[in-house]
Amino acid sequence: EAGVTQSPTHLIKTRGQQATLRCSPISGHTSVYWYQQALGLGLQFLLWYDEGEERNRGNFPPRFSGRQFPNYSSELNVNALELEDSALYLCASSLAVRNTIYFGEGSWLTVV
Amino acid sequence: GQQLNQSPQSMFIQEGEDVSMNCTSSSIFNTWLWYKQDPGEGPVLLIALYKAGELTSNGRLTAQFGITRKDSFLNISASIPSDVGIYFCAGHPNAGNNRKLIWGLGTSLAVNP
Repeated sequence: EAGVTQSPTHLIKTRGQQATLRCSPISGHTSVYWYQQALGLGLQFLLWYDEGEERNRGNFPPRFSGRQFPNYSSELNVNALELEDSALYLCASSLAVRNTIYFGEGSWLTVV
Repeated sequence: GQQLNQSPQSMFIQEGEDVSMNCTSSSIFNTWLWYKQDPGEGPVLLIALYKAGELTSNGRLTAQFGITRKDSFLNISASIPSDVGIYFCAGHPNAGNNRKLIWGLGTSLAVNP
């Protein structure tokens, strides 16, 4: 069974541009979570989607947004990129009724 | 935001030694999770704990859900070089939005062969 898959693996953008990251959850999982991990730091919660709805978001500005599609895959969009947005963006998924989340390999975003 | 107190922050040990790390919270948790992250990769779930007092093993790893529900520990026995990485604890608070995980800042483990 495939795990959580993310794309692209690496992405380089310039300041002010927009980035779109994609995530496919484990089959059967309806919840998708997005985390930001800056180099050498811990995991910062970004967004949680469940059944197509945004259920919770972390302390990030509105230029961080996303959506979940009917097939439960998800996109994370970051607008007006800033240098400090450079980080590993991790997607995770879980079953609707369990609390255990499983991560993908992440997408490295570099803003220059 | 709320964070777990995870300690130690880093460890440097000799191959073969046992390792112990723990996480504490000021509030009650109903789930404790332990993850390992290798450099440049996503965290991998090691052990999940759902009941107070629960003791669970996964190979050389053992983790326990504290009786007070405010702490958890992870032990690694007979460490090997591939144990190197960052270990994170995470948990769901008993109150509030129990789908939002609270994370520790990680324990960085280095193993000297």
